[in-house]
Amino acid sequence: QVQLQESGPGLVKPSQTLSLTCTVSGGSISSGSYYWSWIRQPAGKGLEWIGRIYTTGSTNYNSSLKSRVTISVDTSKNQFSLRLSSVTAADTAVYYCARSYCPNGVCYYDAFQIWGPGTMVTVSS
Amino acid sequence: QSVLTQPPSASGTPGQRVTISCSGSSSNIGSNTVNWYQQLPGTAPKLLIYTNNQRPSGVPDRFSGSKSGASASLAISGLQSEDEADYYCAAWDVSLSGVVFGGGTKLTVL
Repeated sequence: QVQLQESGPGLVKPSQTLSLTCTVSGGSISSGSYYWSWIRQPAGKGLEWIGRIYTTGSTNYNSSLKSRVTISVDTSKNQFSLRLSSVTAADTAVYYCARSYCPNGVCYYDAFQIWGPGTMVTVSS
Repeated sequence: QSVLTQPPSASGTPGQRVTISCSGSSSNIGSNTVNWYQQLPGTAPKLLIYTNNQRPSGVPDRFSGSKSGASASLAISGLQSEDEADYYCAAWDVSLSGVVFGGGTKLTVL
């Protein structure tokens, strides 16, 4: 059973770069035809999709964050990562990593079936 | 302001049927499928409905989804206390080239 776990600093200073890693266990990140996404949720607010990376390394980003976001994959560590530059207090949120849903060999790339528990990141000096 | 519009709250009594709406546009719901998520307090969201009306394995058939034009709905029948949660709709938006979510609906079981 594939599981995801986010990790990274819980506190980032304004204007710095937020860096998070999602570790995949129970399966290989490079097997199958999955998209691996980052999604965030400010306290008491809704979900916001940040972006995703495909098994091949191709990426898609939220247009409102595109200039600040980089998602990458490290198959040797079975991890994918998020970097968000020039952060402000508005980037304070719980950050989730998630995997797309591929039942019985058919993939639904924009459906997120497996989620990590989330990690809280606060932007403050 | 979310791209997809949901009512902020909904409620019902045990055993009742409730529906939650999700309104979008031709660039998202109107041209792509809708997924629904359930988020219990303090936990990560859970995929409830995919491709408008399909349930992943393990999701009770009390949950159903539908789509018409640029709008979608989630219906919960035989409401139970454990259904009290936040519910989100989501879809791919071709204009934004990304996944967009609704603002979420907080369901209260009275």
